Amino acid sequence: GESVGLHLPTLSVQEGDNSIINCAYSNSASDYFIWYKQESGKGPQFIIDIRSNMDKRQGQRVTVLLNKTVKHLSLQIAATQPGDSAVYFCAESLNSGYALNFGKGTSLLVTP
Amino acid sequence: EAGVAQSPRYKIIEKRQSVAFWCNPISGHATLYWYQQILGQGPKLLIQFQNNGVVDDSQLPKDRFSAERLKGVDSTLKIQPAKLEDSAVYLCAILEDYEQYFGPGTRLTVT
Repeated sequence: GESVGLHLPTLSVQEGDNSIINCAYSNSASDYFIWYKQESGKGPQFIIDIRSNMDKRQGQRVTVLLNKTVKHLSLQIAATQPGDSAVYFCAESLNSGYALNFGKGTSLLVTP
Repeated sequence: EAGVAQSPRYKIIEKRQSVAFWCNPISGHATLYWYQQILGQGPKLLIQFQNNGVVDDSQLPKDRFSAERLKGVDSTLKIQPAKLEDSAVYLCAILEDYEQYFGPGTRLTVT
C-alpha cells in the first residue's frame, strides 16, 4: 500500500555541522507532511510541518523542503547540537482528521 | 501546550492475558488517537476518535483490540487476549491547532 519511508536508518554528524534527513513518500495525493523528533522513552515531538502548496518552510534551526515532482521530503538542521540526537520521523496526513502515517525513522547521532 | 498523561508506563504480561491502557489529556480535545509503535518502527495508527465517536479504526485488530472514549475526554485501549506480536509502545495523542501532541506511551511486553 501507500507508504512513507526514509532513505537512511542512521546518520552520524559532528556537533556544529548541518544535518540533512531525507524521506520519500509514495502517495501523490498527500497534502500535509510533518517531521517529528523522538527521544528515548518519550512520545514523538512535533518539529515542523509543510503543506503541498509550499516547497520550503523554515523554523528555528530547521528547514523542511518538499519536492512534489519526485515525492521527496527533507529536514535540514543547522548547527546540529548534542540535544538533537534522537530518532526523526517524517509523517503524512492520512485523512482530514490529521491521522498520521509515519515512516520508519532515522536515528541521528551528534558527536562532539 | 497540550499535555497527555498515560498509564501505566510499563506493563509485562503473559500471552493470552488481558491488558488495558489509559490516556488522560490534561484539557479537553475533540480529536484523540491511539498509535502502536513496534521497536525500530514508526508509530502506526490504531484508532481515531472525534469526541466520543470513532472516525477511523481500519487498522485496529478488532478481534482482540478495543477502545473507548469516555465523555469525549479520557480514553482506554484494551487487548484481550494478548499475543507476543503485541509487544510495543502504545501512544496516545491529541490534536490541538492542527498539531498532534503525544503522551509518553505505555511500553507493553508480552512474554
